Amino acid sequence: DGGITQSPKYLFRKEGQNVTLSCEQNLNHDAMYWYRQDPGQGLRLIYYSQIVNDFQKGDIAEGYSVSREKKESFPLTVTSAQKNPTAFYLCASRRTAQTGNTIYFGEGSWLTVV
Amino acid sequence: GENVEQHPSTLSVQEGDSAVIKCTYSDSASNYFPWYKQELGKGPQLIIDIRSNVGEKKDQRIAVTLNKTAKHFSLHITETQPEDSAVYFCARVSGGSYIPTFGRGTSLIVHP
Repeated sequence: DGGITQSPKYLFRKEGQNVTLSCEQNLNHDAMYWYRQDPGQGLRLIYYSQIVNDFQKGDIAEGYSVSREKKESFPLTVTSAQKNPTAFYLCASRRTAQTGNTIYFGEGSWLTVV
Repeated sequence: GENVEQHPSTLSVQEGDSAVIKCTYSDSASNYFPWYKQELGKGPQLIIDIRSNVGEKKDQRIAVTLNKTAKHFSLHITETQPEDSAVYFCARVSGGSYIPTFGRGTSLIVHP
């Protein structure tokens, strides 16, 4: 089945560690996004990528890094510089850069700092 | 992007009643307005969307209306059922930006 796969579903991180969240899509979508969701809050954009080998910072990029070496993959690294990383992370993708095309979300990854 | 104001933040209704969630925006270049439903612990799922050249769109029990002049759009759910209970997000996209801006969400609770 086509879709967006995020892994792991649950991740625990010790303070000072970097962790990487995986996002893979087999929808042949060009654009990919990472959002952060805190309890009772909306979706805040961390990074986005319109094409391979290119990505842009979103509203809350500090403490995060990404790469886009392949069209189907857009991993997010939460670095030790992110002071409050505990949150629900959502990856999304979109078919082309044309306005109006639907954005699809993965099932999310829960990150907890212990 | 420009903010999207979403109201109410919480909506409690009895099964069978209608529910209405409203979003307002300020960017006149906005031309695409999707609505998402998010169940607990899951990713948001698109339930309906509307483009700026259309004033209303309906899909069974859900409908979306758009007032471009007033810059607001609304989600209407009729004959609500307990399984409609979830958090609903509105969003807007402007031509040329391709980056959706989301509202803060509405927690809909349908009491049986």
